Amino acid sequence: DVKVTQSSRYLVKRTGEKVFLECVQDMDHENMFWYRQDPGLGLRLIYFSYDVKMKEKGDIPEGYSVSREKKERFSLILESASTNQTSMYLCASTQSGTQYFGPGTRLTVL
Amino acid sequence: DQQVKQNSPSLSVQEGRISILNCDYTNSMFDYFLWYKKYPAEGPTFLISISSIKDKNEDGRFTVFLNKSAKHLSLHIVPSQPGDSAVYFCAASGAGGTSYGKLTFGQGTILTVHP
Repeated sequence: DVKVTQSSRYLVKRTGEKVFLECVQDMDHENMFWYRQDPGLGLRLIYFSYDVKMKEKGDIPEGYSVSREKKERFSLILESASTNQTSMYLCASTQSGTQYFGPGTRLTVL
Repeated sequence: DQQVKQNSPSLSVQEGRISILNCDYTNSMFDYFLWYKKYPAEGPTFLISISSIKDKNEDGRFTVFLNKSAKHLSLHIVPSQPGDSAVYFCAASGAGGTSYGKLTFGQGTILTVHP
């Protein structure tokens, strides 16, 4: 069965903190994605990776970076968290076609 | 530029009736379309998909219709059940080796099915 896990379901951080969100998939997928979901805006792509150590910017990469050191793990980094980064963060993976999502991390930045 | 649009933010339906969720797209390179369902505080789950070579795909109570000339797709749920209440996202994917399975999502439609 397909499984994508995210390190935290809920996270509260302070403005200016460095934040790490981790995602792990067990399907040996090449491609992994980070989205944020905000009401009325749908899912917006932040970054994606198509191979270990390879990454591409999505539609809204500003304020974020990513790391993919191993095929199964894709990390999203907020270098200096700001209140406008309060959101639901979703990780997904795919080989092609259907993307499989993790449960999401609800991040609140105070 | 919103390439995939769901123009109805919400839809309310009585249990047992049909729910029709609509989605429009602008990019003619899209050739694979998907619908996802999302409950609060959970990740989206895949519901049904359709390739551009088809105009209809059915899976139980869920049917997706694709009208390529109008760049429009719709999801029909018959009969609707209270457990179908969720946010529904349509998504589209383009052809080509560099797509990497990347999807473009619509804004979502909140479906509420009343008992």
